[in-house]
Amino acid sequence: EAGVAQSPRYKIIEKRQSVAFWCNPISGHATLYWYQQILGQGPKLLIQFQNNGVVDDSQLPKDRFSAERLKGVDSTLKIQPAKLEDSAVYLCASSPLAGGPGTQYFGPGTRLTVL
Amino acid sequence: QKEVEQDPGPLSVPEGAIVSLNCTYSNSAFQYFMWYRQYSRKGPELLMYTYSSGNKEDGRFTAQVDKSSKYISLFIRDSQPSDSATYLCAMSGGGYQKVTFGTGTKLQVIP
Repeated sequence: EAGVAQSPRYKIIEKRQSVAFWCNPISGHATLYWYQQILGQGPKLLIQFQNNGVVDDSQLPKDRFSAERLKGVDSTLKIQPAKLEDSAVYLCASSPLAGGPGTQYFGPGTRLTVL
Repeated sequence: QKEVEQDPGPLSVPEGAIVSLNCTYSNSAFQYFMWYRQYSRKGPELLMYTYSSGNKEDGRFTAQVDKSSKYISLFIRDSQPSDSATYLCAMSGGGYQKVTFGTGTKLQVIP
């Protein structure tokens, strides 16, 4: 079974530029999560989708971050414009519809550096 | 006060040692407790998953939850160099409630 795929793996941009990340969850997984992991910290949930509906986006900085999940499969996370403090690893995870909190499978992450 | 507190380490132990990793939390609604292992430049992978209080064992790993003290532990027996990684505790109230992670403890097992 293929795992969660993310691209790109690394991205370096200047502040105020835009950037987008892509995630392809495990086939059949209804729930998709985007996390932000700043160096030396644990992952922080940005947004959670179930199919293509948003379950929780309370910690998403909506003035600059946006996310969508088209057709309940792939998802993109966008930052526009980026700030220095957005430098972090952006992790995507997915879980089955009936899965509990411990059934999340994580992708390798996208490491973003904002200069 | 953070909802989940975890000593960041780093923790350095000799091969074969017993390792104890701990987290405390403040949210009494947490019922699901997880431990993830994260190798450098990789995503977290689930190690242990427990519900409510008690112990759970899986090979060299034992997870303990004490809800009365709001304290969880992960023990690693006969530690190996391949166990060198960052260990993240995580917890949730269940259902669609978000998972809250600790900051992670970096472990190094020296051959």
